[in-house]
Amino acid sequence: DQQVKQNSPSLSVQEGRISILNCDYTNSMFDYFLWYKKYPAEGPTFLISISSIKDKNEDGRFTVFLNKSAKHLSLHIVPSQPGDSAVYFCAASEGPGGSNYKLTFGKGTLLTVNP
Amino acid sequence: NAGVTQTPKFQVLKTGQSMTLQCAQDMNHEYMSWYRQDPGMGLRLIHYSVGAGITDQGEVPNGYNVSRSTTEDFPLRLLSAAPSQTSVYFCASSYMSSGYNEQFFGPGTRLTVL
Repeated sequence: DQQVKQNSPSLSVQEGRISILNCDYTNSMFDYFLWYKKYPAEGPTFLISISSIKDKNEDGRFTVFLNKSAKHLSLHIVPSQPGDSAVYFCAASEGPGGSNYKLTFGKGTLLTVNP
Repeated sequence: NAGVTQTPKFQVLKTGQSMTLQCAQDMNHEYMSWYRQDPGMGLRLIHYSVGAGITDQGEVPNGYNVSRSTTEDFPLRLLSAAPSQTSVYFCASSYMSSGYNEQFFGPGTRLTVL
């Protein structure tokens, strides 16, 4: 049973517009959520995270929103740039403050930003 | 800091062969883990370790062994390679004391089993 779901395998947006990547989860014990970005032939790199005590976290062009009642989170990228083209993974962990260190990943969404 | 390093970058094995994928980190991270990434499957946890001498199984541990004799190194051993183990393998590490779970990933090892 997939506990972290990214239902959109791919997303294409125009440069300068907003990219919205979505993630749903089923495990109510998940308490900490992360987004990773992955370029081809490289390892994933951490992008942004959010604890369940918050509903929004912002870092520059990247904002993550968490809706605990809906078990849904989203990553907003504004404005989108061609260099943002990559696979984006949503991940989650159990425990307060993410102290349970095992991560469960979604399958990823390929974002393509067109110039 | 070199961060998380993995060797080799590429490897081709025949069915039944054994090998060890190396992973090292120079950040003094307590937590280390191994994932495999298959097309359309995301990253799945194989084994993890919360410190030297302590290891545990993840989601897909069968066919793999790990040990953690030092803080820096966390090798992954394939005992008898099978075509189903063809995958890209990522090692990751993180601090545990901060309460955060930002894991740093290595560049990966692409393994093909014929």
